[in-house]
Formats: sequence, C-alpha cells, structure tokens
Amino acid sequence: GQNIDQPTEMTATEGAIVQINCTYQTSGFNGLFWYQQHAGEAPTFLSYNVLDGLEEKGRFSSFLSRSKGYSYLLLKELQMKDSASYLCAVLDSNYQLIWGAGTKLIIKP
Amino acid sequence: ETGVTQTPRHLVMGMTNKKSLKCEQHLGHNAMYWYKQSAKKPLELMFVYNFKEQTENNSVPSRFSPECPNSSHLFLHLHTLQPEDSALYLCASSQDGGQTGEQYFGPGTRLTVT
Repeated sequence: GQNIDQPTEMTATEGAIVQINCTYQTSGFNGLFWYQQHAGEAPTFLSYNVLDGLEEKGRFSSFLSRSKGYSYLLLKELQMKDSASYLCAVLDSNYQLIWGAGTKLIIKP
Repeated sequence: ETGVTQTPRHLVMGMTNKKSLKCEQHLGHNAMYWYKQSAKKPLELMFVYNFKEQTENNSVPSRFSPECPNSSHLFLHLHTLQPEDSALYLCASSQDGGQTGEQYFGPGTRLTVT
C-alpha cells in the first residue's frame, strides 16, 4: 500500500529552527508537496520538490532524497505565526496525490 | 484571500436532512476537487472535476453527490448522512486536473451530523 509518514506533533521555540520530516512509500514518484494549514483555515502551498536537493524560499526550505523516500521541511527563525499543521503530499505514478496526516507545529515564546 | 470560497462555513444537520455545500473559484482554473479532512487523518480525495467532467470518484458513498455546472462552481449535495461523515470538507482548484500543480484550497465547511 501507499503510505506517507510524518510526526503527529512537534514543539519548538520562537527564533529557533525546526525540521519536519516526511517519509513515503508510494507506487512511483512525480513530486512532493508541502502545505501549511493554520487551524480553521485552508491549506496553502509552501513548496514542490521533484529533483533531489534543497529548495530554499525565504525562512522555509524543503529537501528531497528520492532514493531514501525522504523529505524534510526546514523552518528557520521561527515566529509565533508559524504555529500550524504542515502537510506532506506525494504525487504517485498515476498522478494521484497521496497525503500525510500532517504535523502540528507548536511554537512557544 | 485564496480565490476559493466555500459556503456555508459551518453546518449542522440531522441524518434525515438534505443540504448542499457550495464552492466557487475566481482563479480561472480548469479543475476542482472535493476533499474530506478528519482529525489526525490524511486528506481524503473524494471527487475531481476537470473541465466540468468528473474524472475521479474515490469510492465515495452515494449519499454524497457532486455537481459541477461550470468550471468555476462546484457543489456537494448531502443526504441521509451518518455521524461518521462529520468532518471538514475542503474544496480546491488547480490549473489542470492532473494534480501536478499547486492546488488552491477554500477555507472549508465544518460539517456536524447529529
């Protein structure tokens, strides 16, 4: 079966750095997405990786290793507004998006 | 403002009621989606419409009936629901229906079935 694993919840301190991991087992791979979802709001797109390596976008970076079936989202200089759920999703060989259950990130002052 | 709106934002209905959820996208996209989001579970894709044609129906019970009159509007008609159908229902749109691109989500309808 197809599976996306990410931690259920993480806690970090304002101003620090946090890494949210995502591992996947899917039938094929056509890209990996990260979305952010604040409580009670719509998920919003953060990043897309299809090739191995690191994609940097401001305070957020996303890394992919296709051989390891692994990605992470790195958040730097954490702010209170970064408290949200972070969703990992993989596009499989049939171009179906397989979603993880999300990681709830709690930022403490 | 994501460009995708959903109404109502909250809905409480009994198991014998009939109600409809509405979604509208103002982004000129060609594909629209219905998702179910339950607590601590992955997003479940329910239906996909590409150029108004349904291209995906992920074994959704017939008590959920989608309607897509045009590329900008999407409805989810609900009847004789069960308590386990209580969840957040999200609508999304994208430029194409292959799910290869970024999806833009609406804020969702929080549905409670009593």
